[in-house]
Amino acid sequence: SAVISQKPSRDICQRGTSLTIQCQVDSQVTMMFWYRQQPGQSLTLIATANQGSEATYESGFVIDKFPISRPNLTFSTLTVSNMSPEDSSIYLCSVAPDRNYGYTFGSGTRLTVV
Amino acid sequence: AQSVTQLGSHVSVSEGALVLLRCNYSSSVPPYLFWYVQYPNQGLQLLLKYTSAATLVKGINGFEAEFKKSETSFHLTKPSAHMSDAAEYFCAVSAPQGAQKLVFGQGTRLTINP
Repeated sequence: SAVISQKPSRDICQRGTSLTIQCQVDSQVTMMFWYRQQPGQSLTLIATANQGSEATYESGFVIDKFPISRPNLTFSTLTVSNMSPEDSSIYLCSVAPDRNYGYTFGSGTRLTVV
Repeated sequence: AQSVTQLGSHVSVSEGALVLLRCNYSSSVPPYLFWYVQYPNQGLQLLLKYTSAATLVKGINGFEAEFKKSETSFHLTKPSAHMSDAAEYFCAVSAPQGAQKLVFGQGTRLTINP
């Protein structure tokens, strides 16, 4: 299965600032997925990122707030913009090179906005 | 569209007792189904998956699940609970074709009593 390196692992940020989260995969994948896990909650898909095209956002998530880059088949970034305390969550990236083997997740970025 | 419902946000069992975590799915096409475990302050680990092969699926750490199409269920079981099984468990579903996103249930927190 694929191995994902996600960073930073955690950060404490001031409201109104932005944070960019990076995910590097050890193999080429068509799609990368970005999830948010709010405190004590399940995972919610933010967007699906394809290389060479704009990301597809889920209902309730917009590009201005969560811009995504996908410059090649092994790398993606998610930016959390103009942060507020409500953005405090764990953000995870995920890939599924072959769904018969399941989805692999990064270790997550624990974001606290103060 | 796919969705999953996990019955019981919190399940508590005694060490050595049977573990049963319930998951029901809704899907317009034959689904792929997954169980993930999340230990405190850690990432997601795949326990097992159903991808249209055998309906009884065995996973890691002694867990197994049975896909029952007639009941639209994919319940997770373990014959004898161990203290180390205490964690959050997530059931998830995706479609085999088309949009490959993974949709999660609400999660079930498993507590093991000595």
